[in-house]
Amino acid sequence: EVQLVESGGGLVQPGGSLRLSCAASGFTFSSYEMNWVRQAPGKGLEWVSYISSSGSTIYYADSVKGRFTISRDNAKNSLYLQMNSLRAEDTAVYYCARDRGDYVWGSYRLYYFDYWGQGTLVTVSS
Amino acid sequence: QSALTQPASVSGSPGQSITISCTGTSSDVGGYNYVSWYQQHPGKAPKLMIYDVSNRPSGVSNRFSGSKSGNTASLTISGLQAEDEADYYCSSYTSSSTLGPIVVFGGGTKLTVL
Repeated sequence: EVQLVESGGGLVQPGGSLRLSCAASGFTFSSYEMNWVRQAPGKGLEWVSYISSSGSTIYYADSVKGRFTISRDNAKNSLYLQMNSLRAEDTAVYYCARDRGDYVWGSYRLYYFDYWGQGTLVTVSS
Repeated sequence: QSALTQPASVSGSPGQSITISCTGTSSDVGGYNYVSWYQQHPGKAPKLMIYDVSNRPSGVSNRFSGSKSGNTASLTISGLQAEDEADYYCSSYTSSSTLGPIVVFGGGTKLTVL
């Protein structure tokens, strides 16, 4: 059974940092691309970041570019999101999600997210 | 403002059918058959219901179906049941940027079963 379990959320002051983790099990983690998707309270879903199976290709949403860093450790079956310079608008539940897609002409086409974790809440407030 | 446009809410009675629309552009919904739909119950993680416009993952009821015409995709739920009451989100690959984002979501539609 595929399982994705996020951790590391909590309350942080504006300008602070936080590191989220996602522990994967039930599948060959090193063979799959992974993502972070967030959802602000009462709002819709927002894609945050993507990392290829090897970690060599990374994409970010414009809203987090330069502040967030996605990474993975395939030996530990884990996905991470380092979040710096946090703002109130980063307050959200953060989900890790496995995706299915393909590389076409050197660019990744993300088709869909087939498994999601239960999410971890990040609250940015003073 | 979300990249894809969905109605904020739809409703239907048990046994009826409803359709949720998802409108994008030629850079996303209209240009590719990579539209997916997710169901989210309150406090729960999203669940994949439809992928590649009209395909159902194993275990998803055949009461759920998807289609697309031009820049608009649609999710139809037939034989509405109480447990279908949830938020529904559409998503699509987007070619609007080579540096990201690579996927966009709709704003979500709240389905109420009367």
